[in-house]
Amino acid sequence: QVQLQESGPLLVKPSGTLSLNCDVSGGSISSTSWWTWVRQSPGKGLEWIGEISRSGSTFYNPSLKSRVAIFLDRSKNQFSLRLTSVTATDTAKYYCARETDYYQSGVYYRAFDLWGQGTMVTVST
Amino acid sequence: DIQMTQSPSSLSASVGDRVTIPCRASENIGSYLNWYQQQPGKAPKLLISAASSLQTGVPSRFSGSGSGTDFTLIISSLQPEDFATYYCQQSFNTPYTFGQGTKLEIK
Repeated sequence: QVQLQESGPLLVKPSGTLSLNCDVSGGSISSTSWWTWVRQSPGKGLEWIGEISRSGSTFYNPSLKSRVAIFLDRSKNQFSLRLTSVTATDTAKYYCARETDYYQSGVYYRAFDLWGQGTMVTVST
Repeated sequence: DIQMTQSPSSLSASVGDRVTIPCRASENIGSYLNWYQQQPGKAPKLLISAASSLQTGVPSRFSGSGSGTDFTLIISSLQPEDFATYYCQQSFNTPYTFGQGTKLEIK
C-alpha cells in the first residue's frame, strides 16, 4: 500500500528557502504519472502549488511560479518542493499527494487520491 | 484561473438529515470536478471524482451530481463521522483550484 510522508524544516526565516521532501513508500515513484504539492494556510482553504510527472515535467501555480520548483529523485523514491524568498504568507500546512487519472465514458479525469499527513511550516524570525 | 465558489461556508444539520452542498465553477468545466472531505488536523480525503464517481470504500450515502458550472455533493443520511469540511476542486486545467470549503456542523 503506497504511503506518502512529508519531511523538512518546520521553521524558515523570512526571505529564506522552504524545502520539503515527500517520501513515497510501498510503491515506485515511477509507477504514477503525476505527483503534486498542496498547501493550506491556518484556518484557510486549499491552494495547489504545482505538480511533477514521472518524466520530470512540471506545472506550477502562476501565483508562485517565480519562486517554486518541484524535483523528482528516483533513487530515493521521493519528490521535493522548494519555495524561495518566503514571507509570513507562506506559513501553511504543506501536503504532498498523488494524482490519479480515472477513465470514465471515454475521458480521463484527474484527482488527488492519496495524501501525506501534511507538515506545518512556519515562516518567522 | 477558474474560480470555485462554495456557499454557504458553513451548514448546520442533524444526524439523519439529508444534506446538499453546492459548488459553482466560474466557467464550464464539464465533469472535471472532485469532492474531498477534511477532518480537523487531517489531510483531505477524496470522496468523489469526475463529479459523480464514488471512490472505493466511501459510503454510498455520499453522491455527487452536476456538470458544466453547477455541482452538488449529497449526503443522504448524515452520520456523526460526516461532520467535517467539504471542498470541491476542478481538474479541468491548471492551476487546479479548490472552493473555500463548506463546514458541516452539528445542529
